[in-house]
This record gives sequence, structure tokens and C-alpha cells, in this order.
Amino acid sequence: GESVGLHLPTLSVQEGDNSIINCAYSNSASDYFIWYKQESGKGPQFIIDIRSNMDKRQGQRVTVLLNKTVKHLSLQIAATQPGDSAVYFCAVMNYGGSQGNLIFGKGTKLSVKP
Amino acid sequence: NAGVTQTPKFQVLKTGQSMTLQCAQDMNHNSMYWYRQDPGMGLRLIYYSASEGTTDKGEVPNGYNVSRLNKREFSLRLESAAPSQTSVYFCASSEGQGASGYTFGSGTRLTVV
Repeated sequence: GESVGLHLPTLSVQEGDNSIINCAYSNSASDYFIWYKQESGKGPQFIIDIRSNMDKRQGQRVTVLLNKTVKHLSLQIAATQPGDSAVYFCAVMNYGGSQGNLIFGKGTKLSVKP
Repeated sequence: NAGVTQTPKFQVLKTGQSMTLQCAQDMNHNSMYWYRQDPGMGLRLIYYSASEGTTDKGEVPNGYNVSRLNKREFSLRLESAAPSQTSVYFCASSEGQGASGYTFGSGTRLTVV
């Protein structure tokens, strides 16, 4: 089955700096990847996704990079703001077989210092 | 507002008691899911329903049952609660199994004493 891990459980950055959150996955057949943001007391909120036929995708202040060779996924947040403080999860999905569901990593808690 | 609604938001149970967590979505999604979230463990799938009329076990189904009541509603039942089931429970939905990202509810914080 799939396993998803994050490199760092916590990350602290200065307001205005760029943040990079990393994630590794185990199944080379994984083909859809999502980043979620979870604020305290709330459910996870979709940020950005990427499919395996791409290696980069950009949103508003966020970029997701996918390196299939080393099975690594990263989320970059530009000009980090206090409102970005939250726990960030990567999630991986395999189509086909018995696993048509999202497998979540354990999360990285991002703290933004003013 | 459109989305996923979970009730209750908080619940305290005694060991051995039963309860049902309710979930409803108004986005006409086909697939619905129940996850539990524990500190340091991320989100783990308990049960899911790929479409109305079907349910399947996820990663951690023991001690739980589910009912897909109709397209909108997917409930999670604890027949005999145990302290190990203390957790935050999230319901989610998606257009279809394996489709784009899930929409999550705001969670139910359950404590079993």
C-alpha cells in the first residue's frame, strides 16, 4: 500500500519569507497529489493539486513541485503571512486497484513569526 | 453555505455507550468518507462510500459501522465506545471516488472516558 511521510513536523518562518514544506510518498504508481491546510479547530481545506503528468503547478502565492524520480512533493508558499499559520498535509491518491482513496501524511505545523 | 455539515461538534461518552455521528453534504457529490485524526497520526480512513448504496472499509474500520442513508447523508456509528476511539472525526465528500480533492466538514471531537 501507499505510505506518505513528511520531512519535518514543524516549521517556523519569518513573515514575508518563503516557506517550503516537503512530503515523500512510497508508491511510484501514485498519480494524484493534493496539499491541504488545516487551521486550528477546522477541517482540512484544499489548497492545490497536481497530477503525475506534471512536475509543477502554481496557484496564488503557492507552488507545488512533484519529483516522481525520487517520489517527493513540495509546497512552496511565497511571502508567508500570519494567516498561513496552520498544519499542512500532503495527500496521495492511487487510481485503480483497491486504493481509490486519499492517503494523508502526518502534517507539518507552520508557524509564522511577525 | 454549500459544504459538508457534521453533528455534533463535541461529544463525551462513557465506555460502552453507543452513538451516531451525522454527516450531510449538499454538493451532490457521489462519494463520502469518514476519517479520524489523532495527534501525530494524520488522517486515517475509517470507511467510505463510493456511491449511494455502497460502503467499504478503510484503514481503521474496527469498532465502527456506517450507513449511507441517501446521496446526501453518511453516518458513522460507534456501537460500544472505547477510550481508544477518542479522536476528532472528519467527514468528507467528493464528486466521485478518485476524483478531485475532498471537501471536509469541520469535525466532531469525541472523548470516551
